Amino acid sequence: ELKVEQNPLFLSMQEGKNYTIYCNYSTTSDRLYWYRQDPGKSLESLFVLLSNGAVKQEGRLMASLDTKARLSTLHITAAVHDLSATYFCIKDSGAGSYQLTFGKGTKLSVIP
Amino acid sequence: EAGVTQFPSHSVIEKGQTVTLRCDPISGHDNLYWYRRVMGKEIKFLLHFVKESKQDESGMPNNRFLAERTGGTYSTLKVQPAELEDSGVYFCASSQGWGGSHEQYFGPGTRLTVT
Repeated sequence: ELKVEQNPLFLSMQEGKNYTIYCNYSTTSDRLYWYRQDPGKSLESLFVLLSNGAVKQEGRLMASLDTKARLSTLHITAAVHDLSATYFCIKDSGAGSYQLTFGKGTKLSVIP
Repeated sequence: EAGVTQFPSHSVIEKGQTVTLRCDPISGHDNLYWYRRVMGKEIKFLLHFVKESKQDESGMPNNRFLAERTGGTYSTLKVQPAELEDSGVYFCASSQGWGGSHEQYFGPGTRLTVT
């Protein structure tokens, strides 16, 4: 059974600080996703990482994928309040299956 | 372009009753997925349609759950009879049917409360 583990699950950080969310998973397949969810809203896709060594950046967020270590990171640079949300690391099973397995999510609160 | 929509946004029913949830995917998306999050747990996969066919229903918890996608457009998920443990948020997602990353686009979810 595919497992996806995120840490930390709760993160409170001050504006302007940097931090990293870690995601470990148990399959050797590629394709990993990071999504964001605001309270009461849909999950919104942030990054799609398709292969080993992939790095993507959007604004203050940067995601990377190391398939050998089965690890992805989501790095937050100089956090701002608008980044407060729950962030999910998500894997699919690979081998033609698009069934997604979710981490528990990291609830990020950015404090002024 | 309209996103994935779900109806209702919230449903409160009594144990033993029937509820039908609806999902309208993004127009042109062949793939449609149902997921749910029950209290305190991760979001879990329920099933996957490709057009009107069930591609993978390995996540359906039991035979009280019936999903359909007639005509390959919108989908319904019926729970009959509902039990207390069915309470949670049910998400629908859709993705294109060819190439690419198969990135899934999610609806806002239906919050189901069984009392």
